[in-house]
Amino acid sequence: KQEVTQIPAALSVPEGENLVLNCSFTDSAIYNLQWFRQDPGKGLTSLLLIQSSQREQTSGRLNASLDKSSGRSTLYIAASQPGDSATYLCASAGTGNQFYFGTGTSLTVIP
Amino acid sequence: DGGITQSPKYLFRKEGQNVTLSCEQNLNHDAMYWYRQDPGQGLRLIYYSQIVNDFQKGDIAEGYSVSREKKESFPLTVTSAQKNPTAFYLCASSLAADTQYFGPGTRLTVL
Repeated sequence: KQEVTQIPAALSVPEGENLVLNCSFTDSAIYNLQWFRQDPGKGLTSLLLIQSSQREQTSGRLNASLDKSSGRSTLYIAASQPGDSATYLCASAGTGNQFYFGTGTSLTVIP
Repeated sequence: DGGITQSPKYLFRKEGQNVTLSCEQNLNHDAMYWYRQDPGQGLRLIYYSQIVNDFQKGDIAEGYSVSREKKESFPLTVTSAQKNPTAFYLCASSLAADTQYFGPGTRLTVL
């Protein structure tokens, strides 16, 4: 069974700083890797999806990379803003259309 | 407006009572999912359905039941057999193993 881990569990940074969130997975036979944002008490919002054949995806200040061979993905956030404060989750999709989620990284951007 | 709706937003259950959580989508997605989220934990898959009239158990299906009579609807029943049902329940849909779209969630509390 796929195991997805996110480190660190929580992160505080000053506004304007660039930061990297990490996601690791045990089974490299994934279909894709997705990053989500969750605000307190809300559902998840999809940020980026990287197909297994891709190395990275970019959207605005966000860049996600995927290294299947090492079982790792990173989410890079440039020039962080207080509005970026949220929990960020990664999820891998495997065969059978099942998704496996990490426990998330809680990000606080301090003004 | 396309999207996923969940109702109710808050639900209270008495001991020994069955309750049903609603999930509806108008995205024309074939696959639908139910997850449970507990504080400090990632999302855990309860049930998923890839097509009408078919569904599969996830990792924590005991004490839950679902139906998929229509493509748009995937209700979840929390039965009295679920001994610790207090949690945040999230419904999602997707096209195969593509990007998942989440509803706003239902917070269930046992009285």
